[in-house]
Amino acid sequence: QVQLQESGPGLVKPSETLSLTCTVSGGSISSYYWSWIRQSPGKGLEWIGYISHGGSTIYNPSLKSRVTISIDTSKTHFSLYLDSVTAADTAVYYCARLVDCTKGVCHYGMDVWGHGTTVTVSS
Amino acid sequence: EIHLTQSPSSVSASVGDRVTITCRASQTIGNYLNWYQQIPGKAPKLLIYAASSLQNGVPPRFSGSGSGTDFTLTITSLQPEDFATYFCQQGYSTLLFTFGPGTKVDI
Repeated sequence: QVQLQESGPGLVKPSETLSLTCTVSGGSISSYYWSWIRQSPGKGLEWIGYISHGGSTIYNPSLKSRVTISIDTSKTHFSLYLDSVTAADTAVYYCARLVDCTKGVCHYGMDVWGHGTTVTVSS
Repeated sequence: EIHLTQSPSSVSASVGDRVTITCRASQTIGNYLNWYQQIPGKAPKLLIYAASSLQNGVPPRFSGSGSGTDFTLTITSLQPEDFATYFCQQGYSTLLFTFGPGTKVDI
């Protein structure tokens, strides 16, 4: 059974780069798509972006200029980098497996999630 | 951007009740609509994918329906563990996935 675990600093200073890693266990990272989502009280659930096992990326246009998602298939993890953070980036960050189709039915839902990690942006 | 609205924003219910939550998309999305349950302090959990398909392991008291712009999540015979917040998410626009604002089901 695939499990995901986020890791990274819980506190980031304004203007610095937020860096998080999602470790995939119990299954192969070399298939599916892998996504980052965040949740803050003010904005609900916000999709950040996703990466394919081949390294192709799609980012939320509202964050595109500041976001990078990378994948390391040999080490079974993928990472999120968010530049020039502000207090508005304070949130719980989740990684998730994005599935395009199940049993021939396509839906692009996220069927496995990490527990989430809280990131606070503050000096 | 495809905008999702949900109603009601919250609902008070009792164990055994039938609860219906609606999600409306700002444009047609076929059946690319997924439903999640989130218990406080936990990650969202996929309940329904493609509008009406039950995710493995999810109890059959959960069901989804709809297509196009209007969708419904129904919980028949509400159980204590079902008190949570429910979100819809569209997978139609693969360049920008969006979520609804959530519906809180409480006692």
